[in-house]
Amino acid sequence: KAGVTQTPRYLIKTRGQQVTLSCSPISGHRSVSWYQQTPGQGLQFLFEYFSETQRNKGNFPGRFSGRQFSNSRSEMNVSTLELGDSALYLCASSLGALGEQFFGPGTRLTVL
Amino acid sequence: SQQGEEDPQALSIQEGENATMNCSYKTSINNLQWYRQNSGRGLVHLILIRSNEREKHSGRLRVTLDTSKKSSSLLITASRAADTASYFCATEEGGSYIPTFGRGTSLIVHP
Repeated sequence: KAGVTQTPRYLIKTRGQQVTLSCSPISGHRSVSWYQQTPGQGLQFLFEYFSETQRNKGNFPGRFSGRQFSNSRSEMNVSTLELGDSALYLCASSLGALGEQFFGPGTRLTVL
Repeated sequence: SQQGEEDPQALSIQEGENATMNCSYKTSINNLQWYRQNSGRGLVHLILIRSNEREKHSGRLRVTLDTSKKSSSLLITASRAADTASYFCATEEGGSYIPTFGRGTSLIVHP
Protein backbone atom coordinates (compact mmCIF):
# COMPACT_ATOMS: atom_id res chain seq x y z
CA LYS A 1 0.00 0.00 0.00
CA ALA A 2 1.41 3.40 -0.92
CA GLY A 3 2.11 5.76 1.97
CA VAL A 4 1.00 9.32 2.48
CA THR A 5 2.35 11.59 -0.22
CA GLN A 6 2.80 15.33 -0.06
CA THR A 7 3.53 17.76 -2.83
CA PRO A 8 5.55 19.77 -3.31
CA ARG A 9 8.39 18.68 -1.02
CA TYR A 10 10.05 22.07 -1.00
CA LEU A 11 8.66 25.51 -1.63
CA ILE A 12 10.05 29.02 -1.49
CA LYS A 13 7.67 31.96 -1.39
CA THR A 14 7.87 35.62 -0.52
CA ARG A 15 5.91 37.51 2.11
CA GLY A 16 2.38 38.34 1.08
CA GLN A 17 2.03 35.49 -1.37
CA GLN A 18 -0.24 32.52 -0.87
CA VAL A 19 0.55 28.85 -1.08
CA THR A 20 -1.34 25.60 -1.53
CA LEU A 21 0.02 22.30 -0.29
CA SER A 22 -1.37 18.94 -1.27
CA CYS A 23 -1.68 15.65 0.58
CA SER A 24 -2.79 12.24 -0.66
CA PRO A 25 -3.66 9.89 2.18
CA ILE A 26 -3.23 6.16 2.32
CA SER A 27 -5.92 4.43 0.28
CA GLY A 28 -8.98 3.83 2.44
CA HIS A 29 -8.07 6.44 5.05
CA ARG A 30 -10.76 9.04 5.47
CA SER A 31 -9.16 11.28 8.08
CA VAL A 32 -6.45 13.76 7.10
CA SER A 33 -4.72 16.03 9.57
CA TRP A 34 -2.26 18.84 9.03
CA TYR A 35 0.53 19.94 11.34
CA GLN A 36 3.06 22.73 11.37
CA GLN A 37 6.51 21.97 12.76
CA THR A 38 8.98 24.71 13.67
CA PRO A 39 12.05 24.68 15.90
CA GLY A 40 10.47 27.23 18.20
CA GLN A 41 6.93 25.90 18.58
CA GLY A 42 7.44 22.24 17.82
CA LEU A 43 4.63 20.24 16.24
CA GLN A 44 1.32 22.03 16.25
CA PHE A 45 -2.02 20.73 15.05
CA LEU A 46 -3.64 22.80 12.32
CA PHE A 47 -6.85 20.96 11.44
CA GLU A 48 -8.36 17.60 10.65
CA TYR A 49 -10.73 16.67 7.87
CA PHE A 50 -12.95 13.63 7.76
CA SER A 51 -15.25 12.85 4.86
CA GLU A 52 -14.78 16.35 3.39
CA THR A 53 -15.71 18.08 6.65
CA GLN A 54 -13.40 19.89 9.02
CA ARG A 55 -13.81 17.98 12.23
CA ASN A 56 -11.17 19.53 14.46
CA LYS A 57 -9.26 22.77 14.33
CA GLY A 58 -6.17 24.00 16.11
CA ASN A 59 -5.34 27.50 17.22
CA PHE A 60 -4.16 29.10 13.99
CA PRO A 61 -5.31 32.31 12.30
CA GLY A 62 -7.84 32.27 9.49
CA ARG A 63 -5.04 32.64 6.94
CA PHE A 64 -4.63 28.90 7.31
CA SER A 65 -7.39 26.95 5.64
CA GLY A 66 -7.90 23.56 4.17
CA ARG A 67 -10.28 21.31 2.38
CA GLN A 68 -10.78 17.67 1.59
CA PHE A 69 -12.06 16.19 -1.61
CA SER A 70 -14.36 13.22 -2.12
CA ASN A 71 -11.34 10.98 -2.78
CA SER A 72 -9.95 12.01 0.65
CA ARG A 73 -7.12 14.02 -0.86
CA SER A 74 -6.60 17.23 1.03
CA GLU A 75 -5.17 20.63 0.37
CA MET A 76 -3.97 23.26 2.77
CA ASN A 77 -3.81 26.92 1.87
CA VAL A 78 -1.95 29.72 3.58
CA SER A 79 -2.73 33.22 2.41
CA THR A 80 -0.74 36.42 2.95
CA LEU A 81 2.39 34.54 3.94
CA GLU A 82 4.50 35.82 6.82
CA LEU A 83 8.13 35.04 7.63
CA GLY A 84 6.94 33.06 10.64
CA ASP A 85 5.07 30.66 8.39
CA SER A 86 8.37 29.10 7.37
CA ALA A 87 8.06 25.56 8.62
CA LEU A 88 7.76 21.90 7.80
CA TYR A 89 4.12 21.15 7.08
CA LEU A 90 3.16 17.58 7.77
CA CYS A 91 0.09 15.74 6.67
CA ALA A 92 -1.11 12.58 8.38
CA SER A 93 -3.89 10.16 7.57
CA SER A 94 -5.77 7.64 9.64
CA LEU A 95 -8.67 5.28 9.18
CA GLY A 96 -11.20 7.07 11.29
CA ALA A 97 -11.02 8.74 14.65
CA LEU A 98 -7.64 10.17 15.46
CA GLY A 99 -5.44 7.40 16.77
CA GLU A 100 -2.53 5.90 14.94
CA GLN A 101 -1.63 8.36 12.24
CA PHE A 102 0.55 7.80 9.21
CA PHE A 103 2.62 10.81 8.29
CA GLY A 104 3.84 11.99 4.93
CA PRO A 105 7.39 13.29 4.39
CA GLY A 106 6.28 16.88 4.72
CA THR A 107 6.52 20.05 2.67
CA ARG A 108 9.25 22.42 3.71
CA LEU A 109 8.05 25.97 3.16
CA THR A 110 10.46 28.86 3.26
CA VAL A 111 9.06 32.39 3.26
CA LEU A 112 11.51 35.12 2.27
CA SER B 1 0.20 24.95 24.24
CA GLN B 2 2.12 21.70 24.71
CA GLN B 3 0.33 18.91 26.51
CA GLY B 4 3.07 16.30 26.55
CA GLU B 5 6.59 17.25 27.49
CA GLU B 6 9.47 14.87 26.90
CA ASP B 7 12.46 14.50 29.14
CA PRO B 8 15.38 14.62 28.59
CA GLN B 9 15.58 17.00 25.66
CA ALA B 10 18.66 15.19 24.39
CA LEU B 11 20.19 11.79 25.07
CA SER B 12 23.50 10.39 23.82
CA ILE B 13 24.34 6.72 24.32
CA GLN B 14 26.47 3.94 22.88
CA GLU B 15 25.13 1.19 20.68
CA GLY B 16 23.85 -1.70 22.76
CA GLU B 17 22.82 0.45 25.71
CA ASN B 18 19.22 1.07 26.69
CA ALA B 19 17.58 4.44 26.17
CA THR B 20 14.78 5.73 28.35
CA MET B 21 12.78 8.86 27.66
CA ASN B 22 9.85 10.22 29.58
CA CYS B 23 6.73 12.14 28.77
CA SER B 24 4.64 14.11 31.22
CA TYR B 25 1.23 15.60 30.57
CA LYS B 26 -1.19 17.83 32.40
CA THR B 27 -4.77 16.64 32.03
CA SER B 28 -6.60 13.34 31.63
CA ILE B 29 -6.02 11.61 28.32
CA ASN B 30 -7.76 9.16 26.02
CA ASN B 31 -4.50 7.66 24.86
CA LEU B 32 -0.83 8.43 24.50
CA GLN B 33 1.28 7.71 21.47
CA TRP B 34 4.97 7.68 20.74
CA TYR B 35 6.40 8.69 17.39
CA ARG B 36 9.88 8.76 15.88
CA GLN B 37 11.16 11.36 13.44
CA ASN B 38 14.37 11.08 11.47
CA SER B 39 16.18 14.26 10.38
CA GLY B 40 13.19 16.59 9.98
CA ARG B 41 11.18 14.11 7.95
CA GLY B 42 7.74 12.65 8.54
CA LEU B 43 6.89 10.97 11.80
CA VAL B 44 6.62 7.23 12.20
CA HIS B 45 4.12 5.81 14.67
CA LEU B 46 5.70 3.54 17.28
CA ILE B 47 3.15 2.62 19.94
CA LEU B 48 -0.29 3.72 21.13
CA ILE B 49 -1.19 3.04 24.74
CA ARG B 50 -4.71 3.63 25.99
CA SER B 51 -5.51 5.27 29.30
CA ASN B 52 -6.62 1.95 30.82
CA GLU B 53 -3.38 0.19 29.88
CA ARG B 54 -0.21 0.22 31.94
CA GLU B 55 2.39 -1.31 29.67
CA LYS B 56 2.86 -2.25 26.01
CA HIS B 57 5.66 -3.87 24.10
CA SER B 58 6.67 -3.79 20.47
CA GLY B 59 9.92 -5.45 19.56
CA ARG B 60 12.69 -3.61 21.40
CA LEU B 61 10.28 -0.93 22.59
CA ARG B 62 8.50 -0.89 25.92
CA VAL B 63 6.06 1.83 26.89
CA THR B 64 4.61 2.35 30.33
CA LEU B 65 1.83 4.66 31.37
CA ASP B 66 1.16 5.91 34.89
CA THR B 67 -2.04 7.93 34.83
CA SER B 68 -1.76 8.78 38.53
CA LYS B 69 1.52 10.54 37.82
CA LYS B 70 0.40 11.69 34.37
CA SER B 71 3.55 10.30 32.82
CA SER B 72 4.75 7.74 30.31
CA SER B 73 8.12 6.31 29.50
CA LEU B 74 9.57 4.81 26.34
CA LEU B 75 12.37 2.30 26.74
CA ILE B 76 14.44 1.24 23.75
CA THR B 77 16.52 -1.81 24.61
CA ALA B 78 19.80 -2.76 22.94
CA SER B 79 19.86 0.46 20.95
CA ARG B 80 21.30 0.66 17.45
CA ALA B 81 22.76 3.53 15.46
CA ALA B 82 19.61 3.41 13.33
CA ASP B 83 17.59 4.40 16.41
CA THR B 84 19.14 7.87 16.19
CA ALA B 85 16.13 10.15 15.82
CA SER B 86 13.81 12.47 17.68
CA TYR B 87 11.09 10.83 19.73
CA PHE B 88 7.78 12.52 20.45
CA CYS B 89 4.88 11.69 22.67
CA ALA B 90 1.41 12.77 21.64
CA THR B 91 -1.64 12.89 23.86
CA GLU B 92 -5.33 13.34 23.26
CA GLU B 93 -6.98 15.06 26.18
CA GLY B 94 -10.22 13.62 27.50
CA GLY B 95 -13.12 14.71 25.31
CA SER B 96 -10.85 16.02 22.60
CA TYR B 97 -9.51 14.34 19.51
CA ILE B 98 -6.84 16.93 18.91
CA PRO B 99 -3.43 15.32 19.42
CA THR B 100 -0.87 17.46 21.18
CA PHE B 101 2.80 16.74 20.70
CA GLY B 102 5.65 17.43 23.06
CA ARG B 103 8.89 19.02 21.90
CA GLY B 104 10.63 15.68 21.64
CA THR B 105 13.73 13.92 22.87
CA SER B 106 16.69 13.90 20.52
CA LEU B 107 18.42 10.52 20.77
CA ILE B 108 21.89 9.91 19.37
CA VAL B 109 23.21 6.37 19.38
CA HIS B 110 26.93 6.15 18.73
CA PRO B 111 28.16 3.07 16.85
